[in-house]
Amino acid sequence: DTGVSQNPRHKITKRGQNVTFRCDPISEHNRLYWYRQTLGQGPEFLTYFQNEAQLEKSRLLSDRFSAERPKGSFSTLEIQRTEQGDSAMYLCASSSRDRENSGANVLTFGAGSRLTVL
Amino acid sequence: KQEVTQIPAALSVPEGENLVLNCSFTDSAIYNLQWFRQDPGKGLTSLLLIQSSQREQTSGRLNASLDKSSGRSTLYIAASQPGDSATYLCTVPMYSGGGADGLTFGKGTHLIIQP
Repeated sequence: DTGVSQNPRHKITKRGQNVTFRCDPISEHNRLYWYRQTLGQGPEFLTYFQNEAQLEKSRLLSDRFSAERPKGSFSTLEIQRTEQGDSAMYLCASSSRDRENSGANVLTFGAGSRLTVL
Repeated sequence: KQEVTQIPAALSVPEGENLVLNCSFTDSAIYNLQWFRQDPGKGLTSLLLIQSSQREQTSGRLNASLDKSSGRSTLYIAASQPGDSATYLCTVPMYSGGGADGLTFGKGTHLIIQP
């Protein structure tokens, strides 16, 4: 296992199209997170899963966005009817409790999927 | 909910200088604080994690300090090198008490080390 894997790395689409990103977390991690990062900003939390359960969703996650983690392993993030404002880097991270650091929740990030909406 | 501020937003210094990046957060009841590095167009690499009970952590030329009571952390980079050029992000748990509910990030400090 080489870490968190995200695909595709870059997606260019026209406004109004649907796009889907996939994240494969580190296999033993039960928590999975999606973040969005726009140019010049830090990553912003979108949602997270513990196993297959989606436990929290940010207000940033409009009804055009849906995330799933059906079997508690990989996750998908779908954006419907894309808008130019959706252009961003979508980052996935996974975690498990870090026993060496007294239970700290240490996240490992993937390389991200960059979305460009024309 | 936490808010994280990083100063300066950008920094350009000659190679070899020692430098300090600053981070402040609004809620001092944090479980831990973490510094990440991000190279252009890439994901995040964890540099240092400081637990709430700790005052500092060191890794090579990097030293991160934490002052919970004042809501501040600093990242000290000694003898900077061109390879240190990147964006440095400070982050704390989104809500008091930490837990599994994700992180709040600052906007980052964009660092350029001139050869």
